[in-house]
Amino acid sequence: AQSVSQHNHHVILSEAASLELGCNYSYGGTVNLFWYVQYPGQHLQLLLKYFSGDPLVKGIKGFEAEFIKSKFSFNLRKPSVQWSDTAEYFCAVRSTRYSSASKIIFGSGTRLSIRP
Amino acid sequence: DTEVTQTPKHLVMGMTNKKSLKCEQHMGHRAMYWYKQKAKKPPELMFVYSYEKLSINESVPSRFSPECPNSSLLNLHLHALQPEDSALYLCASSQVSGVGDTQYFGPGTRLTVL
Repeated sequence: AQSVSQHNHHVILSEAASLELGCNYSYGGTVNLFWYVQYPGQHLQLLLKYFSGDPLVKGIKGFEAEFIKSKFSFNLRKPSVQWSDTAEYFCAVRSTRYSSASKIIFGSGTRLSIRP
Repeated sequence: DTEVTQTPKHLVMGMTNKKSLKCEQHMGHRAMYWYKQKAKKPPELMFVYSYEKLSINESVPSRFSPECPNSSLLNLHLHALQPEDSALYLCASSQVSGVGDTQYFGPGTRLTVL
């Protein structure tokens, strides 16, 4: 069965620190990969996605992620975080086996707290 | 425009009540989804509709009854719920492109069952 692992449950950083959130998935076929963010009291928003091509993907708000197929990883990075980045971050995987509708598997989430 | 709207924002109901959640999108998407999200947990898929037909039911109890009256609307009918059903219910939609399909989420309905 597919699964998505986010090993960091809670990350605390100071403003201007660099960020890397880990995401690993277990599925051998072709996958689509996503990072969603949920700010306090707000709905899930798409940060970035990878479908094919350049494995380094740039998203909104200065975030980027790198797909490393050999490691089954899709880690999220940001060179310098801001207090406004405080949120819950979810990695998600969609198996391309389902052609008629998207079944996304979410990781357990990483809570990011930024100290001003 | 990537907006999915949900009503109501908050809902409090008793265990014997019948209520409905509503979701709407005008992006021309042909797949719509219901998720349940408990506090500090990831969303859990409940149902998927593709071209107005139910394509995935993740073994959800029958007290939750989905309905897709047309390609823009998705309802979730609730009856005889339990307190443990209290959660944030999220709706999402996607194009059903088969490749590179991306789900866009609504703000959710926060449900409290007394």
